[in-house]
Amino acid sequence: SQELEQSPQSLIVQEGKNLTINCTSSKTLYGLYWYKQKYGEGLIFLMMLQKGGEEKSHEKITAKLDEKKQQSSLHITASQPSHAGIYLCRAGGTSYGKLTFGQGTILTVHP
Amino acid sequence: DTEVTQTPKHLVMGMTNKKSLKCEQHMGHRAMYWYKQKAKKPPELMFVYSYEKLSINESVPSRFSPECPNSSLLNLHLHALQPEDSALYLCASSPQGSSYEQYFGPGTRLTVT
Repeated sequence: SQELEQSPQSLIVQEGKNLTINCTSSKTLYGLYWYKQKYGEGLIFLMMLQKGGEEKSHEKITAKLDEKKQQSSLHITASQPSHAGIYLCRAGGTSYGKLTFGQGTILTVHP
Repeated sequence: DTEVTQTPKHLVMGMTNKKSLKCEQHMGHRAMYWYKQKAKKPPELMFVYSYEKLSINESVPSRFSPECPNSSLLNLHLHALQPEDSALYLCASSPQGSSYEQYFGPGTRLTVT
């Protein structure tokens, strides 16, 4: 089965700093999704990456999928307290299969 | 409407009770999902419905019984739960299978006493 490993597991930054979260897959990714979750709430879809080398941005968040399609990174520029939460990556697939999530990265942004 | 709604938001039930969780979406999605999430853990897939038919059951105990009455509704019937079943239960939908992004509801916080 496919496994996703996220690093770091937690991250504390000062407001205004840049940061990067990584998601590494044990197998080739056929789609990689990034979500954000506030504690005790539902997941908010951020971005979907499907092609090797693909890069997408939304506001101050940029996500990339490497050429070999086994790792993705999520980069936040000039972080704000509103960016705080849990960031989760999820593998897509051509069939339902095992819908795998990474274990999550807890982001804290201090004002 | 790009929203998945879940009711109730919070539920406290005893181990002998029967209750149901409800999920609704009006995006025309044909795949719907139930996840269970414990504190500080990622969501764990429980069930997948595709075109109103159960396509995946991730070896979930029979005290959890899913139902998909129509393409917009997904229920999770609960009976004789255990305290360890206390968790956040998330519903999601996607246009079709897992190769599409999933839209999540806000979740139901379940406490079993």
